[in-house]
Amino acid sequence: EAGVAQSPRYKIIEKRQSVAFWCNPISGHATLYWYQQILGQGPKLLIQFQNNGVVDDSQLPKDRFSAERLKGVDSTLKIQPAKLEDSAVYLCASSLAPSDEQYFGPGTRLTVT
Amino acid sequence: DQQVKQNSPSLSVQEGRISILNCDYTNSMFDYFLWYKKYPAEGPTFLISISSIKDKNEDGRFTVFLNKSAKHLSLHIVPSQPGDSAVYFCAASVQGAQKLVFGQGTRLTINP
Repeated sequence: EAGVAQSPRYKIIEKRQSVAFWCNPISGHATLYWYQQILGQGPKLLIQFQNNGVVDDSQLPKDRFSAERLKGVDSTLKIQPAKLEDSAVYLCASSLAPSDEQYFGPGTRLTVT
Repeated sequence: DQQVKQNSPSLSVQEGRISILNCDYTNSMFDYFLWYKKYPAEGPTFLISISSIKDKNEDGRFTVFLNKSAKHLSLHIVPSQPGDSAVYFCAASVQGAQKLVFGQGTRLTINP
């Protein structure tokens, strides 16, 4: 079974630029999560999707971050414009259902200069 | 407000000995607790979990203990092996395995 795929693996941008990350969950997984992991901290949930609907985006900085999962499969997380403090690893995870075990992708390491 | 805390950033243990990783939480509504293991350049992988109705769960070399009155859980690995060297995250939730709140992680190094 293929795992959660993420791309790109690394991205370096200047502040005020835009960036997008892509995630393809495990086939059949209805629930998809985006996390932000700042160096030295644990992952922090940004947004949770159930199929193509948002379940929880209470910790998503909506003035600059957006996410979508239009067809209920893969998902895109965008930052526009980026700030220095957005430097982090962005992790995507998926699960069969909301209370099931989450499987994480390898993450995208973003550096904002 | 850090609801889940892992106060030891790092731990070094000799191969074959017991590794004990600790985690404290403040939210009494948490009813499900998990441990994740993370290797460099990889995402976290699920290791073991425990529901608040239990005080111990065992899976091979890994055992998780939950002390609800102290709001404390620990992960025991015995015997420790070199492949156990990784960062370990404690996580908690109020709704099964979703909406996880993670600790800061503890880097475990197993020395030969």
